Amino acid sequence: KAGVTQTPRYLIKTRGQQVTLSCSPISGHRSVSWYQQTPGQGLQFLFEYFSETQRNKGNFPGRFSGRQFSNSRSEMNVSTLELGDSALYLCASSLDPGGYQPQHFGDGTRLSIL
Amino acid sequence: KQEVTQIPAALSVPEGENLVLNCSFTDSAIYNLQWFRQDPGKGLTSLLLIQSSQREQTSGRLNASLDKSSGRSTLYIAASQPGDSATYLCAVLHNTDKLIFGTGTRLQVFP
Repeated sequence: KAGVTQTPRYLIKTRGQQVTLSCSPISGHRSVSWYQQTPGQGLQFLFEYFSETQRNKGNFPGRFSGRQFSNSRSEMNVSTLELGDSALYLCASSLDPGGYQPQHFGDGTRLSIL
Repeated sequence: KQEVTQIPAALSVPEGENLVLNCSFTDSAIYNLQWFRQDPGKGLTSLLLIQSSQREQTSGRLNASLDKSSGRSTLYIAASQPGDSATYLCAVLHNTDKLIFGTGTRLQVFP
């Protein structure tokens, strides 16, 4: 069974640009969550999608958005990039929403802002 | 506000030692607690999930305990091996349905 796939693995952008990251969950998993990991703040929850609807949201500005498609694949978008957005962005999938079951993580997209 | 702390931040031990990693949380209103490992440049791998009604979970050389009333969990690793070297993270599922992660313990097991 294929794991969670995130693309691209690495991305370099400049301030003010926008970026879209993609996540393909494990087959059969309907919930996708996104996290930001930085050395200073650690792992922080961004949002969770289930059945194409945003089910939960962390404390991030509106520049961070996402969506989920009917095949459960998810994308997250960050607009007007800032230096502080440099981070490892992790996606996790699970069978059902809410974190009640083990979450399976992808290897992440490392985003660097110049 | 739920806060999760892990002690120690880093640990270096010789191969074969038994070791304990600690995780503490400030709000006991949790649904479950999970332990993950993260290898450099990689995502997280789920190790153990303990429901709030459980006291412990075991998988191979790993044993995790949960004391919800005191806000503590421990991860016990028996007979450590160099392959166990990684960062270990605990996370609690808060009543907001969000996973709150700890700060992590970076473990190095040397031959």
